[in-house]
Amino acid sequence: NAGVTQTPKFRVLKTGQSMTLLCAQDMNHEYMYWYRQDPGMGLRLIHYSVGEGTTAKGEVPDGYNVSRLKKQNFLLGLESAAPSQTSVYFCASSPTGTGGAGELFFGEGSRLTVL
Amino acid sequence: AQSVTQPDIHITVSEGASLELRCNYSYGATPYLFWYVQSPGQGLQLLLKYFSGDTLVQGIKGFEAEFKRSQSSFNLRKPSVHWSDAAEYFCAVGAHTGRRALTFGSGTRLQVQP
Repeated sequence: NAGVTQTPKFRVLKTGQSMTLLCAQDMNHEYMYWYRQDPGMGLRLIHYSVGEGTTAKGEVPDGYNVSRLKKQNFLLGLESAAPSQTSVYFCASSPTGTGGAGELFFGEGSRLTVL
Repeated sequence: AQSVTQPDIHITVSEGASLELRCNYSYGATPYLFWYVQSPGQGLQLLLKYFSGDTLVQGIKGFEAEFKRSQSSFNLRKPSVHWSDAAEYFCAVGAHTGRRALTFGSGTRLQVQP
């Protein structure tokens, strides 16, 4: 079972460069999320999607864009990377339905360093 | 807006000792509550969740948590800690509707002494 897969796992960028993080899930989940994790701050929601073709802003969306062209994929883009975006990024997905509502399934994370 | 507070940044316990990690939440209605564990360099794994019903919830790896509405708390407990429990633990609160994204606390890092 692949679950939630993130690529790449590690990336080093220079300030001003762009990149895209890819998240893929094989559980047919409707909801997908991008979080960033910084020391002492837990996980903060960047953007999320409640279904194919939809995206919405979370708590810390500035400097990021997302797309959900296919149900199984959720892309996170940095158009012009800044050192403040150095972080570990986690993708998560969640099923619909009362029983599964709110439980998130996480990828292993992508560590991004911006110099 | 919902929020979660984990008052303890770092806790050290001896192997075999009992453990309690504190979590307080703020939410306008009955929340969904979760505890996740993160081992170094790994993603987050669900330990347990409270959805409704019995306020004492059992999870994996021998963990349990108790939902106390009057105290807005959802503390995680384990009667006897193993060295492999050393990790970071996150409490999270979720909404019943809307985006269903979880709001996480800042985490508690658990160190286990032999």
